Amino acid sequence: GNSVTQMEGPVTLSEEAFLTINCTYTATGYPSLFWYVQYPGEGLQLLLKATKADDKGSNKGFEATYRKETTSFHLEKGSVQVSDSAVYFCALSEVANQFYFGTGTSLTVIP
Amino acid sequence: NAGVTQTPKFQVLKTGQSMTLQCAQDMNHEYMSWYRQDPGMGLRLIHYSVGAGITDQGEVPNGYNVSRSTTEDFPLRLLSAAPSQTSVYFCASRTGQGVAISGYTFGSGTRLTVV
Repeated sequence: GNSVTQMEGPVTLSEEAFLTINCTYTATGYPSLFWYVQYPGEGLQLLLKATKADDKGSNKGFEATYRKETTSFHLEKGSVQVSDSAVYFCALSEVANQFYFGTGTSLTVIP
Repeated sequence: NAGVTQTPKFQVLKTGQSMTLQCAQDMNHEYMSWYRQDPGMGLRLIHYSVGAGITDQGEVPNGYNVSRSTTEDFPLRLLSAAPSQTSVYFCASRTGQGVAISGYTFGSGTRLTVV
């Protein structure tokens, strides 16, 4: 079956530190992969996506590369800001309307 | 602004009461879904719809009903509320068009407490 595994949180970083949040997946075919971000008290927002192997999704300084050989889609940012504090969800979708979400990783960035 | 609108934002129910969580989208999206979010469990799919008049069960459908009489609206009904249904509920929609699967647009959520 399909599933997504994210690194456990919470993660606490100092401002301008490098961020990596690991995500690995299990899928029977060729899924699309997504990262969502949830700010306190809000719904999830699509941060970036990749639809095939070796694609790189990017947005707001965040990047993630679809690695089929390692079944991974790790989220990275070179220099985090306090405003990046949020919960980040990795997700995959292989067929219509079947989305599988990870359990979320909470990030806190301190000045 | 275009998007997914959920009401109410907060609700407290007594055990055994029923209520309907409202969800409306104005993006003409075919697909709509209801998720619940619980600590440490991520998002779990309750029910979904691929178009008006078509609904199906997700991972955790027990205790909930849905209907999709129009493209825009997808209400979630709690038949007899239980404390285990205390959660944050999210409605989401997306287009079904295109080869690449598009991401969801989420509403801002309904925080439900059952006492």
